[in-house]
Amino acid sequence: DTGVSQNPRHKITKRGQNVTFRCDPISEHNRLYWYRQTLGQGPEFLTYFQNEAQLEKSRLLSDRFSAERPKGSFSTLEIQRTEQGDSAMYLCASRRGGDTQYFGPGTRLTVL
Amino acid sequence: AQSVAQPEDQVNVAEGNPLTVKCTYSVSGNPYLFWYVQYPNRGLQFLLKYITGDNLVKGSYGFEAEFNKSQTSFHLKKPSALVSDSALYFCAVMEDQAGTALIFGKGTTLSVSS
Repeated sequence: DTGVSQNPRHKITKRGQNVTFRCDPISEHNRLYWYRQTLGQGPEFLTYFQNEAQLEKSRLLSDRFSAERPKGSFSTLEIQRTEQGDSAMYLCASRRGGDTQYFGPGTRLTVL
Repeated sequence: AQSVAQPEDQVNVAEGNPLTVKCTYSVSGNPYLFWYVQYPNRGLQFLLKYITGDNLVKGSYGFEAEFNKSQTSFHLKKPSALVSDSALYFCAVMEDQAGTALIFGKGTTLSVSS
């Protein structure tokens, strides 16, 4: 396993701009998760995919957020019209049939 | 609703001493419990989990955790701390295999002094 990878690792943007993050899960992991982590807090669930189907979304995921996993492999998370409150670490995790989620290194977003 | 509490923001121990990082949880079904560690500017690394069976589970880097159903606790332990164990530790719960999202505690910073 090469592990979960995320790109970019860091993103600085101005308020109002759109940003997109990518997550590549561990090969053959059919389940993929997005979490958001703010300073001093544990990760909070955003959304979950099984293969290409988005099966669950948190109420934290406002209308400005959209996630896709078009072929059941990599996933993207887009934030439109970013706000300063969107500044956080965005974490991706993947899981196969078992119960353990394996996390990527995260993308740190700073909105100026 | 599921929840996890880590009552200590920081735990300080001397190298070579035993360490305990506390975690209590609340779920309506059977709990699946996890510990992860996070180093600065990095993602979470899986340490260990309890699903079923023996209440004492062993994980990576010499860590272990004890599941206590009556006290709804899952404390992380290590017999002899290393300076390199200094990091941020998260306890998480998932409500049995039907669950999807992990619910995390706020984290506990472990500081091991030499």
